[in-house]
Amino acid sequence: DPKIIQKPKYLVAVTGSEKILICEQYLGHNAMYWYRQSAKKPLEFMFSYSYQKLMDNQTASSRFQPQSSKKNHLDLQITALKPDDSATYFCASSQTGTDNQAPLFGEGTRLSVL
Amino acid sequence: GDQVEQSPSALSLHEGTGSALRCNFTTTMRAVQWFQQNSRGSLINLFYLASGTKENGRLKSTFNSKESYSTLHIRDAQLEDSGTYFCAARNNNNAPRFGAGTKLSVKP
Repeated sequence: DPKIIQKPKYLVAVTGSEKILICEQYLGHNAMYWYRQSAKKPLEFMFSYSYQKLMDNQTASSRFQPQSSKKNHLDLQITALKPDDSATYFCASSQTGTDNQAPLFGEGTRLSVL
Repeated sequence: GDQVEQSPSALSLHEGTGSALRCNFTTTMRAVQWFQQNSRGSLINLFYLASGTKENGRLKSTFNSKESYSTLHIRDAQLEDSGTYFCAARNNNNAPRFGAGTKLSVKP
């Protein structure tokens, strides 16, 4: 059974719309992350949260907003979608944000913006 | 600037041969992780090292924090080893940063 669940697996959106990418982990981890992988760029770190608090943010645009309603959830809300936002978005988690344990990755959400 | 530089960008091997992939870091990293991204796009965790060397089957990885590099050795390459290999490294309290990847093609 997958321990990090990302939903949906595939998502098609129109330009200008808003979508929420879901991530839940059942590992008891306290740190969660979002990464993006597009055709133009390698895997790119976006956000890290530890104990539901933002630790690091490398995303320039405020259109990307993480939402942590529960300790094991870190959803990603994207507003005013653009075609350049098309990418696979990976969620990951680790025990804490400062430990030496390997972060584990979800299967990703493949977003296409038309 | 880029903190994780990965080489080569692409590599072609015949079955049964081997090679090494390398990551150089422009700043001191305290741990490195190696992944294989398979044809379905899934990220498969291969190794996580804070120091030294780890081996698993036909794969071996070394992390030298002092000299700021890590290597992934593949021996006796098989067709299913094809994919893109990424290293990711972290320093202090930051989340892991990825290299650009090495695209490995294993041919019969």
